[in-house]
Amino acid sequence: AQSVTQPDIHITVSEGASLELRCNYSYGATPYLFWYVQSPGQGLQLLLKYFSGDTLVQGIKGFEAEFKRSQSSFNLRKPSVHWSDAAEYFCAVALNTGFQKLVFGTGTRLLVSP
Amino acid sequence: DGGITQSPKYLFRKEGQNVTLSCEQNLNHDAMYWYRQDPGQGLRLIYYSQIVNDFQKGDIAEGYSVSREKKESFPLTVTSAQKNPTAFYLCASSTTGGAEAFFGQGTRLTVV
Repeated sequence: AQSVTQPDIHITVSEGASLELRCNYSYGATPYLFWYVQSPGQGLQLLLKYFSGDTLVQGIKGFEAEFKRSQSSFNLRKPSVHWSDAAEYFCAVALNTGFQKLVFGTGTRLLVSP
Repeated sequence: DGGITQSPKYLFRKEGQNVTLSCEQNLNHDAMYWYRQDPGQGLRLIYYSQIVNDFQKGDIAEGYSVSREKKESFPLTVTSAQKNPTAFYLCASSTTGGAEAFFGQGTRLTVV
């Protein structure tokens, strides 16, 4: 069965520093790939998605992610973190079938220090 | 504005009582989903529906039931058979063409 691994439970980054959140997936084919963000007590907001084509994907709020097929990875990056980026981030994959069924990683909580 | 509305935001129930969580969408999406979120476990799929009057069990369906009588609505009932119902519940919807899912703001259920 497909799975998603986010190896970092918590990450602390200084405001203004760069950020990289890791995501690895296990699946035979290339799935649809997503990054979502969740503020405390709120729903999930889509940051970006990869379906095919250019492996560097731009999203909202200055985030980007790079798909690396050889590493089965889809890491999220931001060059300069703002205090408002503190939240929980989820990587997710969907079967490449036209029916949407997301499998989520366990999430990475980002803390931003002054 | 289009979106997904979950109600209520907070819900308290006594152990042994059934409770129904509401989810309504005006995005004209065919597919709808219920996820459960627990700390450190990410989101787990409870039930999903691709079309009206049809739904399938997800990974953790035991103790839950759903209905899909209207395209816009996908209520979730947490029954007394659910052994650990206290959690944050998220509803989502999508088209069936592989596009992203849109999420509601969630309902936090506490059973005492």
